[in-house]
Parts: sequence; structure tokens; C-alpha cells
Amino acid sequence: NAGVTQTPKFRVLKTGQSMTLLCAQDMNHEYMYWYRQDPGMGLRLIHYSVGEGTTAKGEVPDGYNVSRLKKQNFLLGLESAAPSQTSVYFCASRDSGTYTDTQYFGPGTRLTVL
Amino acid sequence: GQNIDQPTEMTATEGAIVQINCTYQTSGFNGLFWYQQHAGEAPTFLSYNVLDGLEEKGRFSSFLSRSKGYSYLLLKELQMKDSASYLCAVRVPYGGATNKLIFGTGTLLAVQP
Repeated sequence: NAGVTQTPKFRVLKTGQSMTLLCAQDMNHEYMYWYRQDPGMGLRLIHYSVGEGTTAKGEVPDGYNVSRLKKQNFLLGLESAAPSQTSVYFCASRDSGTYTDTQYFGPGTRLTVL
Repeated sequence: GQNIDQPTEMTATEGAIVQINCTYQTSGFNGLFWYQQHAGEAPTFLSYNVLDGLEEKGRFSSFLSRSKGYSYLLLKELQMKDSASYLCAVRVPYGGATNKLIFGTGTLLAVQP
């Protein structure tokens, strides 16, 4: 099992450009999450999904959109990138109904917006 | 409000024991997690506590006191590879039918020879 994978690993954008980050998991997990991690701050939840075809807003959703057309994939879109969106983005997934319901993280995408 | 506090940095010596503390004030509590994150890598799961007491997993142990809003991660027989950031996260109710994790800013542990 590859676990949680993210594409791309690195990206540099200019202000106003758009891009899509792809997250894929092969663990048949129902729940998927997008976080951003910034220096001096904890991981913050952007959007999440509780199953195929569903999405919901997290703590910091502004400027981002998401889609979960297939159970194994969760896409994060930036329609018009801003320098404030420079960050490391992590995707995570988890099963439901286990004792811990642990979230498993992907390797991250480092995004720089100039 | 939601608040999780942990020390920013700690230094310890190879072979020693180190305790990383975490205090939290959250709206609801459905468990506490510790994750390890090496520089430039993904957070990886270390431990989970939902009831008061100590959970032991090899060289790593985690303790929880819900009444005090307090947890610690204990690392024994420190190795150089334990140099990493340690994230404390509390699971809280969110959006009606689900939960979310609130993360602390992490404690950067440096293990010296």
C-alpha cells in the first residue's frame, strides 16, 4: 500500500494563477482532509470530506475549493493564488469506527506564491 | 475557544529521557493524539489517549489527565533519530456529526550526542 500520496511535491505560482493539488489514498478510507502548515502555527484544517461526493469547510476555507468525485481522491483548488497561500499543504485520511480513528498524512506539497 | 500549548523547543542528550508537556483548553474532548514530524516530512502517528492514565508503546509513553487538561509524551533511551517536532492534537466535536483535530504548534526536540 502506498498510503496517502500527494501531487505535486513542490510548486511555485505567481499571484493570480490557479492550480490543483491532488491527494490519493489506497486504504479505502471514508474521511479525507486538507490542512496547511505555517511556521509558528499548528496544522489548520482547510476543508474535509466525510465520503465520496461530500465536502465541508474547515477553519480556513477562504480562497480554496475542493472536490471528492472518487472515494480515493480529494482535490484542493486555488482559483487565484495569493502570497498568503504560501504554505505546506498536507492531505490526510482516516477510517471510521476504529478505536483511535487515526488520521494518516501524505508527504505534503510545498507551495510558494510570488 | 480552542487552545493547545506546548513548549517550542527542547534539547536532550542521547540515551536520556525527555518529557514533552501539552496543556489544552478546548470546547469538547474526544481524545488526544501525539504525532512525530521530521523536518520536511509528514506527521506520523505516535500515540492516542482518551481515558486518564498512561499508555506505553515501546520507548514512547503518553499520559493524559482530562480534569487538568494535560498530557505529556515521554521518550526513553533517546536516539539521534528522535530529533523531530512533536505535535499534540486534541480531537473535538465539529460540524454536528463529526470531529476535527486541533493541533498545537509543535515542540522541536534536538537530541545531542
